[in-house]
Amino acid sequence: IAGITQAPTSQILAAGRRMTLRCTQDMRHNAMYWYRQDLGLGLRLIHYSNTAGTTGKGEVPDGYSVSRANTDDFPLTLASAVPSQTSVYFCASRTSDRRNTEAFFGQGTRLTVV
Amino acid sequence: SQELEQSPQSLIVQEGKNLTINCTSSKTLYGLYWYKQKYGEGLIFLMMLQKGGEEKSHEKITAKLDEKKQQSSLHITASQPSHAGIYLCGADKADDAGNMLTFGGGTRLMVKP
Repeated sequence: IAGITQAPTSQILAAGRRMTLRCTQDMRHNAMYWYRQDLGLGLRLIHYSNTAGTTGKGEVPDGYSVSRANTDDFPLTLASAVPSQTSVYFCASRTSDRRNTEAFFGQGTRLTVV
Repeated sequence: SQELEQSPQSLIVQEGKNLTINCTSSKTLYGLYWYKQKYGEGLIFLMMLQKGGEEKSHEKITAKLDEKKQQSSLHITASQPSHAGIYLCGADKADDAGNMLTFGGGTRLMVKP
């Protein structure tokens, strides 16, 4: 089934540990995004990539890094997790970064940093 | 701070009542997206508005983009428990690297049977 897949679904992580959240899409979308959702409300953009080999900082990039080695994968890494990074993380993709292009979302990763 | 402001932040309505959610931008909107999220799940695309004055409907949900293109409203007619969830508006924001997709703070809707 075509779509966007995130892994893991949930994770409890000790503070100070390194963690990579995985995101894979098979729709050949050029643009991909990582968001965090706190308290079940709005989404805040962490990092994005408009095409393979390029990345950009979003609204809340500190403490996170991304890479885009190929079209399909866009992993998000927390180098040294802190409790304030406890959140639900969503990955999204769309055909391109052109305006008026619908984005598709993964089911989310619930991360708890203790 | 986010450039898309949604109001209200939360809303409780009786089943059968109409309601409106607003999304206001500090900048001109060139495209506005509405998504719905059921609690604990991913986001579902509702509709996209591209032109000032445009109005679209999906079942009992209607969204408009105002003429000045800085505000959108989402109206639900005769609300049902199935409408409950979080509604998010999103927009493209230009950056040196291209466009990024940002969202408002969300509106949590509860519908009481």
